[in-house]
Amino acid sequence: GEQVEQLPSILRVQEGSSASINCTYENSASNYFPWYKQEPGENPKLIIDIRSNMERKQTQGLIVLLDKKAKRFSLHITDTQPGDSAMYFCAASETNYNVLYFGSGTKLTVEP
Amino acid sequence: EAAVTQSPRNKVAVTGGKVTLSCNQTNNHNNMYWYRQDTGHGLRLIHYSYGAGSTEKGDIPDGYKASRPSQENFSLILELATPSQTSVYFCASGEKPFYAEQFFGPGTRLTVL
Repeated sequence: GEQVEQLPSILRVQEGSSASINCTYENSASNYFPWYKQEPGENPKLIIDIRSNMERKQTQGLIVLLDKKAKRFSLHITDTQPGDSAMYFCAASETNYNVLYFGSGTKLTVEP
Repeated sequence: EAAVTQSPRNKVAVTGGKVTLSCNQTNNHNNMYWYRQDTGHGLRLIHYSYGAGSTEKGDIPDGYKASRPSQENFSLILELATPSQTSVYFCASGEKPFYAEQFFGPGTRLTVL
């Protein structure tokens, strides 16, 4: 299995600033790390992911960093907007399985 | 985009009653999953399936059964519902590679009185 810890659980930022969410995992065999966004009343949707052969990935204002030695990965949202307000979940998975282990989530609020 | 539907969307059940939550996906994905979502716990995996006829236990299978009669359908069964099973349940589907995106259904809000 896998245990994924996610912090912080609540995050408030000002519009235009950056937001960072951190996750750690225990299983060194984990090699795929997606991030899901869940808006109020909606289902979770994949926003970005990274595989273990990469250390950094960036797309549309989102940056994911992976430190395999420390078993840590993080999501950075640059230039936050009110539309970024949502729950964010990190997850981890390993090659031989198609199972995702999710963190407990971060509620991000972007204040105008 | 993947289409995953769930029924019912809301359900009120009595303690000790039987509850069946249904999930249907129309994208021919091999893998299907049942999660429950509770505040402070995120998404926890209950059961999953690699294809028709297969079911596997996830992290929290106690009190739940699953059934995958076809590629498209995956059910979660609570034989004897308890108030601790009050939660929001999400079904998801995904393709076989471990790095494949999971597509979630809209969720079912279950209240057990």
